[in-house]
Amino acid sequence: ETGVTQTPRHLVMGMTNKKSLKCEQHLGHNAMYWYKQSAKKPLELMFVYNFKEQTENNSVPSRFSPECPNSSHLFLHLHTLQPEDSALYLCASSQDSVAGNRFTEAFFGQGTRLTVV
Amino acid sequence: KNQVEQSPQSLIILEGKNCTLQCNYTVSPFSNLRWYKQDTGRGPVSLTIMTFSENTKSNGRYTATLDADTKQSSLHITASQLSDSASYICVVSGLSNFGNEKLTFGTGTRLTIIP
Repeated sequence: ETGVTQTPRHLVMGMTNKKSLKCEQHLGHNAMYWYKQSAKKPLELMFVYNFKEQTENNSVPSRFSPECPNSSHLFLHLHTLQPEDSALYLCASSQDSVAGNRFTEAFFGQGTRLTVV
Repeated sequence: KNQVEQSPQSLIILEGKNCTLQCNYTVSPFSNLRWYKQDTGRGPVSLTIMTFSENTKSNGRYTATLDADTKQSSLHITASQLSDSASYICVVSGLSNFGNEKLTFGTGTRLTIIP
């Protein structure tokens, strides 16, 4: 266990559905991240939150909507997804992602395997 | 453009044998280099982190090397076990214009250990 928990582990949804992915960390970290991992591709950073504020959005389509109510919880709300959005969605947390802390060790959750049909 | 390239893409070896995975990067400015192990259907788990000044670092049967001049790293696994079957991801941390760490991920090497 890495201290980062993601639910659900697997999700199958239709293109017209609305669903949410949840991530919770018990490590006292103040930075949380959403990554997308597609087959044969490197992990792609989607969003970064520092102290509950979104500090990075890597040109992610608006059908992905993140929410960070506090430093321990991170959500990814999904609506009107496309089949190409099928992937493993990974949440990670670290102590700090800003300058001054050179070793921002990132701890990953188990991921949610999303299939859009 | 920051890039991390890993080779080989996949590797199959017999249990008990050694192997070496390669990582070349073009990330600049460089902060540190990490190797992660990712079991199928799970999130990546950190194996080692090396800074510019470190040439080698070990974690049990895993030994990572770093040549910051040639921008190359390797991960050597000795006396492989069936549980070593996983994807091994090289991740290079650079610094953004704002001083934040930015991670660039390789596509990974898929290692399969056979009995």
